[in-house]
Amino acid sequence: DIQMTQSPSSLSASVGDRVSITCRASQGIYSSLAWYQQKSGKAPKLLLYGASGLESGVPSRFSGSGSGTDYTLTISSLQPEDFATYYCQQYYGSPQTFGQGTKVEFK
Amino acid sequence: QVQLQESGPGLVKPSETLSLTCAVSGYPVTNGYYWGWIRQPPGKGLEWIGSIYHTGTTYYNPSLKSRVTISVDTSENQFSLRLNSVTAADTALYYCARPRVGASLDPFDLWGQGTLVTVSS
Repeated sequence: DIQMTQSPSSLSASVGDRVSITCRASQGIYSSLAWYQQKSGKAPKLLLYGASGLESGVPSRFSGSGSGTDYTLTISSLQPEDFATYYCQQYYGSPQTFGQGTKVEFK
Repeated sequence: QVQLQESGPGLVKPSETLSLTCAVSGYPVTNGYYWGWIRQPPGKGLEWIGSIYHTGTTYYNPSLKSRVTISVDTSENQFSLRLNSVTAADTALYYCARPRVGASLDPFDLWGQGTLVTVSS
């Protein structure tokens, strides 16, 4: 299985902050990388696919980058509704696997 | 509007079989997608369980493959999950989901609300 390691596991930030979350794959995944946002008690919401493709309806303050084994989700200016847990997912190899999550909390 | 809705018992005894159904509305399951199941233990991360095409072709997570069966009922426009010999480690929120462009390896852009299954005697 391809292991996905996210960092940090949690972070504290304020509204307006620029926030970055990284995800490292145990092998190259050729940009087959998605990012999800999950709020308490809700299903995950797809934010980005193909490492940098913005899902329809997702605000442009969310962006993704990376290649090979290392990927980054960036929120350019954190908004109150962005406090949530974020997961990366690789879909290059089966089984598709998720990172352990990064909880973004209010500072 | 396409919607997915999970249903099934919320409590299953250890060693028994967990059975869930995902009813799909607003979209035919025969229309070229791999439909998936994902689970999330309380307070933990996400685990892909498996996916099925309307022809019956399935892909399973090897970690669960010996205990999992996913099936599709095209007449009812739904697909189902069976997980046998459950233990407390199978306690989780179970989601059904549809991938973004339908491939067997693809991010999921449409999710059910999830259903909590607790394994306990």
